[in-house]
Amino acid sequence: EVHLVESGGRLVQPGGSLRLSCAASGFTLTTYDMNWVRQAPGRGLEWISYISSGSTTIYYADSVKGRFTISKDNAKNSLFLQMNSLRAEDTAVYYCARDRCSGSSCYYDSWGRGTRVTVSS
Amino acid sequence: DIVLTQSPDSLAVSLGERATINCKSSQSILYTSNNKNYLAWYQQKPGQPPKLLTYWASTRESGVPDRFSGSGSGTDFTLTISSLQAEDVAVYFCQQYFGTPTFGQGTKVEIK
Repeated sequence: EVHLVESGGRLVQPGGSLRLSCAASGFTLTTYDMNWVRQAPGRGLEWISYISSGSTTIYYADSVKGRFTISKDNAKNSLFLQMNSLRAEDTAVYYCARDRCSGSSCYYDSWGRGTRVTVSS
Repeated sequence: DIVLTQSPDSLAVSLGERATINCKSSQSILYTSNNKNYLAWYQQKPGQPPKLLTYWASTRESGVPDRFSGSGSGTDFTLTISSLQAEDVAVYFCQQYFGTPTFGQGTKVEIK
């Protein structure tokens, strides 16, 4: 069974940094592209980053480009999101999501339960 | 970026009745070379992550009840729940993946 578990979310001050993790089981990250999607409180969904199975292709939303970095550790079967220069508007639940397609971000067939990031002083 | 606008924002439907949710794209998301519409629908229940319902506008995900169906092409799409069940109370989102992925604002479905 496919399982995704995010961790690392917490309260952080504006300008601070945070590293989110997503542990995958039931499949290997070497065979699937992955994404991070966030949802601000009471708001809709926002795609923020994509990484291909071979880590050769990476995309970011303009809202996080230059501040966030996606990566993965195939040996640990884990996905990461390094978040720097955090702003209040980054406050959200962050989900990792498995991509059904290959080569570009398309639709997401498995999601974790999310980890909450709060940026506030 | 492509903007998706859902309507209505919320709707209340009696059990067993039909629920229809619309999603309009700011530009066509039909890729003519493969004749596929790059649109998916998700269901999100309170406190849970989104769940994939349909993709390529009308292909139902494995395990999704057949009362859920997606339709449309180009810029106008619809998710239909043919006979609303109590467990269908949720927020529904459309998502396009023709360009940088974007989501609609969501439609809340409740029981009348």
